Amino acid sequence: AQKITQTQPGMFVQEKEAVTLDCTYDTSDPSYGLFWYKQPSSGEMIFLIYQGSYDQQNATEGRYSLNFQKARKSANLVISASQLGDSAMYFCAMSLTNTGNQFYFGTGTSLTVIP
Amino acid sequence: EADIYQTPRYLVIGTGKKITLECSQTMGHDKMYWYQQDPGMELHLIHYSYGVNSTEKGDLSSESTVSRIRTEHFPLTLESARPSHTSQYLCASSGTRDRWGTTEAFFGQGTRLTVV
Repeated sequence: AQKITQTQPGMFVQEKEAVTLDCTYDTSDPSYGLFWYKQPSSGEMIFLIYQGSYDQQNATEGRYSLNFQKARKSANLVISASQLGDSAMYFCAMSLTNTGNQFYFGTGTSLTVIP
Repeated sequence: EADIYQTPRYLVIGTGKKITLECSQTMGHDKMYWYQQDPGMELHLIHYSYGVNSTEKGDLSSESTVSRIRTEHFPLTLESARPSHTSQYLCASSGTRDRWGTTEAFFGQGTRLTVV
């Protein structure tokens, strides 16, 4: 069963605008971590932000914030003030404690920032 | 800055050749992973390890094999390369964040393999 779902294959955003990339997850494990990665065309995976299942507050890292809604099992990434360099693939991932902290990745969202 | 290294970055090789993709990390992480990814597509876990002498196959069936003789080293071997093995291979490692959880996965820069 798909544990991480990203329903937006492609997104466009105007430069300097904010954009939300959707991610929903499926687990009954009370202990898990949620992660977002950026993958530019060069291929490397760049870690952006982390949210633990026990964290009370939404995570923020610079222009990135994670909108964590535990009851809805969603962990959307918000990028504020988009820049041209934000154009890339974005992957949502989850690690589960009861499976030895394996990482499960979504199918990704391709973001294009328009000048 | 992540201290995980993959070599080579690019490899073009003929069908039937044996190849080994190298992956090393200097962070002392117990957990290491190999993912296969076609351009613009999702990552598929092909192998993982929880420590020395511990290796498991991932969700995606792969003809490759791995070994974990040292904590820092997790090489992937293809005994006989085929064109269907053409892909990007990403190595990653992760540590322990707290009592329950894991750090993020730190990724190497990847190896782009082309089998002709």
